[in-house]
Amino acid sequence: QQPVQSPQAVILREGEDAVINCSSSKALYSVHWYRQKHGEAPVFLMILLKGGEQKGHDKISASFNEKKQQSSLYLTASQLSYSGTYFCGTEIFEPGNTPLVFGKGTRLSVIA
Amino acid sequence: DAGVIQSPRHEVTEMGQEVTLRCKPISGHDYLFWYRQTMMRGLELLIYFNNNVPIDDSGMPEDRFSAKMPNASFSTLKIQPSEPRDSAVYFCASSLGDNSNQPQHFGDGTRLSIL
Repeated sequence: QQPVQSPQAVILREGEDAVINCSSSKALYSVHWYRQKHGEAPVFLMILLKGGEQKGHDKISASFNEKKQQSSLYLTASQLSYSGTYFCGTEIFEPGNTPLVFGKGTRLSVIA
Repeated sequence: DAGVIQSPRHEVTEMGQEVTLRCKPISGHDYLFWYRQTMMRGLELLIYFNNNVPIDDSGMPEDRFSAKMPNASFSTLKIQPSEPRDSAVYFCASSLGDNSNQPQHFGDGTRLSIL
């Protein structure tokens, strides 16, 4: 039931773009995205609900493809502050009854 | 507003000792979650509460682990007896409402080392 994230790690230069994918084997109701910097707590980025919506948060946006049971996180014009590990948390199609299950994370390193 | 508060931040103890981790959720939040994070397994949900009642403890690894929430502003996670494989970072998180449209707010975690 744990979602699969890809890639496991990525290194970018400042200004480059990246895409992080989160795939589930089960039908999803919602996908949550979090970022965790080294030695710190995970911090909420955004939630996407079923319906194939796309959300934006400054230069970080995400989409949710219900049919593919997949969400993608898009980071454009990356900044040094984007470095960290990105986690998706998925809620399968039983809203309110099942807790989030987190993927193993994608480690993003942005270098100057 | 204060966020989720966890204590202690670091704990180093010897195998066999009892360990108690503490969490104060954000005031007004009705869901509280305990997670364990390791390099190998990532962020694993151990147990979660709704209105102080344990809802799902299927992630608690063994009987050595127990969690309580005696009131809306306090929860504990206890390990007795502790083992070296329990070494990890333990996070507490709280949220307002169910998962679907509410973010979880994480505490700074407790880094536990069992020697």
